Parts: sequence; C-alpha cells; structure tokens
Amino acid sequence: DAGVIQSPRHEVTEMGQEVTLRCKPISGHNSLFWYRQTMMRGLELLIYFNNNVPIDDSGMPEDRFSAKMPNASFSTLKIQPSEPRDSAVYFCASSRKGGQMNSEAFFGQGTRLTVV
Amino acid sequence: AQRVTQPEKLLSVFKGAPVELKCNYSYSGSPELFWYVQYSRQRLQLLLRHISRESIKGFTADLNKGETSFHLKKPFAQEEDSAMYYCALFRGKLIFGQGTELSVKP
Repeated sequence: DAGVIQSPRHEVTEMGQEVTLRCKPISGHNSLFWYRQTMMRGLELLIYFNNNVPIDDSGMPEDRFSAKMPNASFSTLKIQPSEPRDSAVYFCASSRKGGQMNSEAFFGQGTRLTVV
Repeated sequence: AQRVTQPEKLLSVFKGAPVELKCNYSYSGSPELFWYVQYSRQRLQLLLRHISRESIKGFTADLNKGETSFHLKKPFAQEEDSAMYYCALFRGKLIFGQGTELSVKP
C-alpha cells in the first residue's frame, strides 16, 4: 500500500480563492482525520470521520472550512474563501479501528498551503 | 477537557547526552498514549505507544498516572534523533500536544 496519499503537495493561492485539498486513506481503514500544523499551534485536529460519517468537527475554525468524505477512499477539505492566516501544512491521517484501543494513525505527507 | 501539554517548544542537547521530552495529559480515565515523530519535511510516524512498553530507536516512555505524565527518554542522544516529537492522547481521535523540537548537536 502506498500509504495515505494527499494532493496537492504544495498549493499557493490568492486570498479569496477557493482551495480544495484531497486525501486518499489507506485501504481498509475506516477512520480519517484532518489536521492543521502551524508553528504557533502545533497539530490541531480539524475534523474526523468514522465510516465516512463526520464524528467531530469542533476543530473546524470557521464556516469557511468544510470537509466531505463521499466514500471510503476519498475525502476533501475545502476552504472558501481562503485567507492568509489559513497558511499552514494540512495533514490527513487514517486508522483502522476508529474509537478503539491503540489505533495507530498513518499520516500523509501533507499539503503545504500558502495564501498570499 | 482532555488535553496534552508539552511544555518545551525546543530542546537542544549535545550528542551522547541524555534526553527527556516532557508530556503531561489531562484525562480522568485510563489513557492511551503515543509518541509520534516527524523528521525534517517528512510525514508524522508513530514512534511508540505506552501499551506496548517497547523501546524504539533507544527511546522509552513510561506512563505515570500519579503525575499524569508520559515523558519520552533516551539515555544517549544521536544527531539523527533531531526531529519534532509529538505526544498524543487517543480518545476516539488523537489529541496532540504542541510538539517539542529536539535538536541534537555534534
């Protein structure tokens, strides 16, 4: 398995534009997580899904952020409109047993977003 | 509220020196704790989990429920240990601390 795959690896966009980040979890994993990494705040959980259903989106900063998981092999995180303060590295992770013990999460390589 | 605290943003040591990266958690039940590591510009990867009581790359971490701590230790640091280290608590989702950057100087 190629692991968790994220695209694009880098994204530079202008303020006000829509940005869509994509994630393909590891096959057979039923939990998917979106994290944001910044120098100031470290790793923040934005939202996570179990069996394609959003379980906790309390970390989504604003209504400008939305996430979907239409099927077990694909998820998107959308920012509309984007702002410079959204600049960060966005990680997607998946795990096999959501909500159960010792569930190792496997991370993608991240998308480095820069909003100018 | 469940929370993970890593008080040091940066820890700098010389090669061969002992290392301790601190982690405290707030959770009233039996915690499931992990240490993740992120080498420069690479993806996060699991380093160790408390339930396994394992030593990975010379690192160990002991759960101390009385002090609600899960500090990561290594007796002799190596330059290749330089990385970001994140302590995490699992409660249906991984709750991470803010991370500690370990810099091991030659």
